[in-house]
Amino acid sequence: KQEVTQIPAALSVPEGENLVLNCSFTDSAIYNLQWFRQDPGKGLTSLLLIQSSQREQTSGRLNASLDKSSGRSTLYIAASQPGDSATYLCAVGTSGSRLTFGEGTQLTVNP
Amino acid sequence: EPEVTQTPSHQVTQMGQEVILRCVPISNHLYFYWYRQILGQKVEFLVSFYNNEISEKSEIFDDQFSVERPDGSNFTLKIRSTKLEDSAMYFCASKEQGPSGELFFGEGSRLTVL
Repeated sequence: KQEVTQIPAALSVPEGENLVLNCSFTDSAIYNLQWFRQDPGKGLTSLLLIQSSQREQTSGRLNASLDKSSGRSTLYIAASQPGDSATYLCAVGTSGSRLTFGEGTQLTVNP
Repeated sequence: EPEVTQTPSHQVTQMGQEVILRCVPISNHLYFYWYRQILGQKVEFLVSFYNNEISEKSEIFDDQFSVERPDGSNFTLKIRSTKLEDSAMYFCASKEQGPSGELFFGEGSRLTVL
């Protein structure tokens, strides 16, 4: 059974800092990995999708990497802004196309 | 930009009552999903739906739950007899392609069972 773990659970940084969020998964037989953002009481906004054959994806200030063999992904956020404050969720796509989610990293960027 | 829409945004019901949550997936998408998130917990997969039938369901999706695509645009989740532990945020999601496609979520329907 796939298990997804995200570290740290919470992170507070000053504005402008570069930061890394970590995600690990137990079963490397994945189709893809998707990073989401969730604001309090809101839905999930897709940030980046990495296919199992890819090593990284970039969108603006966000860069996600995938090391399937070691069961790890990182989300790098450059030059963080207060508007980046949210919970970031990592989800792994496995057989049958379901996503298995981690518990998330709650990010606070202080002005 | 196309989006997944869900109604109602919040529903309060009494234990034992039937509830129907509605979703309009993105129009050209073929794969539909329901997930739920109990307050403070992980987002959990409930069911996937493709070609007018359930393609996969989790152990949570028992006989109290059902899904339907009654027409070309709506996708519904029915809970036949709600329990206190069904209180959660229910998310509908859709994607265009199969296993490797990007999944898009709606804003969720918050269900409170009293």
